[in-house]
Amino acid sequence: SAVISQKPSRDICQRGTSLTIQCQVDSQVTMMFWYRQQPGQSLTLIATANQGSEATYESGFVIDKFPISRPNLTFSTLTVSNMSPEDSSIYLCSVVTANGNTIYFGEGSWLTVV
Amino acid sequence: AQSVTQLDSHVSVSEGTPVLLRCNYSSSYSPSLFWYVQHPNKGLQLLLKYTSAATLVKGINGFEAEFKKSETSFHLTKPSAHMSDAAEYFCVVRYTGNQFYFGTGTSLTVIP
Repeated sequence: SAVISQKPSRDICQRGTSLTIQCQVDSQVTMMFWYRQQPGQSLTLIATANQGSEATYESGFVIDKFPISRPNLTFSTLTVSNMSPEDSSIYLCSVVTANGNTIYFGEGSWLTVV
Repeated sequence: AQSVTQLDSHVSVSEGTPVLLRCNYSSSYSPSLFWYVQHPNKGLQLLLKYTSAATLVKGINGFEAEFKKSETSFHLTKPSAHMSDAAEYFCVVRYTGNQFYFGTGTSLTVIP
């Protein structure tokens, strides 16, 4: 298993500002992902955070809006840029085990944009 | 296209009665299958997983699920619901590679 720490756990943000979410894993992992969970919805994959290269974004998500860093095998950040109320969501960091068998999640970062 | 379907968006049971949360997947191959639970204001916690070993998988908190290839199903069950089981449950499927597909979730209410 993997222990994943995310911060902030919650924040209330002003429209037009940006917020960076940090994700720290207790072991080195190859695959790290960022998901969004809008209120009452399931999870949607934003991007795969690649160590040493640009993140791979899913359809509907772009780097300018959601820049991602992955400086090493245990850490990643997701920035939500120029926020609007539609960005109010839970953002979840996740990792996949070395054998690719299981995905583990952080506790999530609850963002409310006002 | 690969997909996973949770047949019920909401399930209500009385405390002490059985729980059944349904999940069907679509695939020509044997996938890896998971159930996660999300309690209010919490992240997702792994309940159990099937990765081509025994078809009946036991998880935490008394939950279990049975992989039925002929029915492409992986339903989650518990013999006796507890108030603390009230949460959102997600069925997740991994086919090939590292692509995980999430169901839309089932909200479980436990009535005292």
